[in-house]
Amino acid sequence: DAGVIQSPRHEVTEMGQEVTLRCKPISGHDYLFWYRQTMMRGLELLIYFNNNVPIDDSGMPEDRFSAKMPNASFSTLKIQPSEPRDSAVYFCASSPLAGGQFYEQYFGPGTRLTVT
Amino acid sequence: GQNIDQPTEMTATEGAIVQINCTYQTSGFNGLFWYQQHAGEAPTFLSYNVLDGLEEKGRFSSFLSRSKGYSYLLLKELQMKDSASYLCAVGISGSARQLTFGSGTQLTVLP
Repeated sequence: DAGVIQSPRHEVTEMGQEVTLRCKPISGHDYLFWYRQTMMRGLELLIYFNNNVPIDDSGMPEDRFSAKMPNASFSTLKIQPSEPRDSAVYFCASSPLAGGQFYEQYFGPGTRLTVT
Repeated sequence: GQNIDQPTEMTATEGAIVQINCTYQTSGFNGLFWYQQHAGEAPTFLSYNVLDGLEEKGRFSSFLSRSKGYSYLLLKELQMKDSASYLCAVGISGSARQLTFGSGTQLTVLP
């Protein structure tokens, strides 16, 4: 299994530009999560999906952020317009519909976003 | 809301034992997870506790006390490759697969 795939791995953009981050979860996983990690705030959950449906987007910082999951194998996180404070590492993770309570999350390699 | 506390940094010597503590306060509880994150890499799963007690997995063990809102990760026979950030995360009941992460403990293993 290739694991969770994210692209691009690095993105440098200017303030005001649109940024689109992409994620392909592990095949067969029912849950997909988008996180943001910074030194100041640590690892924060932005939004998560179950069977392609957004379940909780309370972590999305503001309307400039949006996420979609058009099918089970693809999700995007879009920032429009981007601002320097959006600079962070954005992780995508997926989780299987395991039995019981145990539900390990598998993280992708992350996208390091720099907004100048 | 949720509040998770863990030390920011720890240092230990190769071959030694180190214990990383985590305390939490949550409105609901559905399991305690430990993840390891090497610099510039993604977090990877280490352990999971949902019942009180100790779970052992090779050189790593994790303990949970639900009544005290307390967990620790015990690393034995430390190796240089164990230098990493260790993230404590709490599963929130009623939130399916949602985890809330602590800020992480940066462990440095010295020769």
